[in-house]
Amino acid sequence: GQNIDQPTEMTATEGAIVQINCTYQTSGFNGLFWYQQHAGEAPTFLSYNVLDGLEEKGRFSSFLSRSKGYSYLLLKELQMKDSASYLCAVMDSNYQLIWGAGTKLIIKP
Amino acid sequence: IAGITQAPTSQILAAGRRMTLRCTQDMRHNAMYWYRQDLGLGLRLIHYSNTAGTTGKGEVPDGYSVSRANTDDFPLTLASAVPSQTSVYFCASSDGSGTGGGPGELFFGEGSRLTVL
Repeated sequence: GQNIDQPTEMTATEGAIVQINCTYQTSGFNGLFWYQQHAGEAPTFLSYNVLDGLEEKGRFSSFLSRSKGYSYLLLKELQMKDSASYLCAVMDSNYQLIWGAGTKLIIKP
Repeated sequence: IAGITQAPTSQILAAGRRMTLRCTQDMRHNAMYWYRQDLGLGLRLIHYSNTAGTTGKGEVPDGYSVSRANTDDFPLTLASAVPSQTSVYFCASSDGSGTGGGPGELFFGEGSRLTVL
């Protein structure tokens, strides 16, 4: 079966750095997405990786290793507004998105 | 304001009743999707439409139906609601610019919270 694993919850301190991991086992691979979802709101797109390596976008970076079935989202200089759930999704060989259950990130002052 | 509009935002429904969740987008995206989100689970695809006039079944289609008469609208109907359909429903769209024509960035509506008693 297809599976996306992410930690259920993480806690970090304002101003610090946090890394949210995502491992996947899917039927084929056509890219990996990260979305941010604040409580009670819609998911919003953060990043897309299809090749190995690190993609940087401001305070957020996303890394992919296809051989290891692994990705992480790195958030730097954490702000209270970064408190949200972070969803990892993989596009499989049929171009269908398989979603992880999300990681709830709690930022403490 | 461009985007996706869902209605209703929230609804409490008696089991056995028929319910239609509305979804309208003004971005002229070809692809549209309906997901349900339940605590502890990832988003699960109910139905999708790659272009007006076509629809397809997702991971959890039973008990739901959709139609795509035009580019903008993609309603989701529960013919006879059951308590297991209590969930938050998200409509999303994509311009299909992803790898191999697959979904690129998804744009989501604000969600419809449905409670079936």
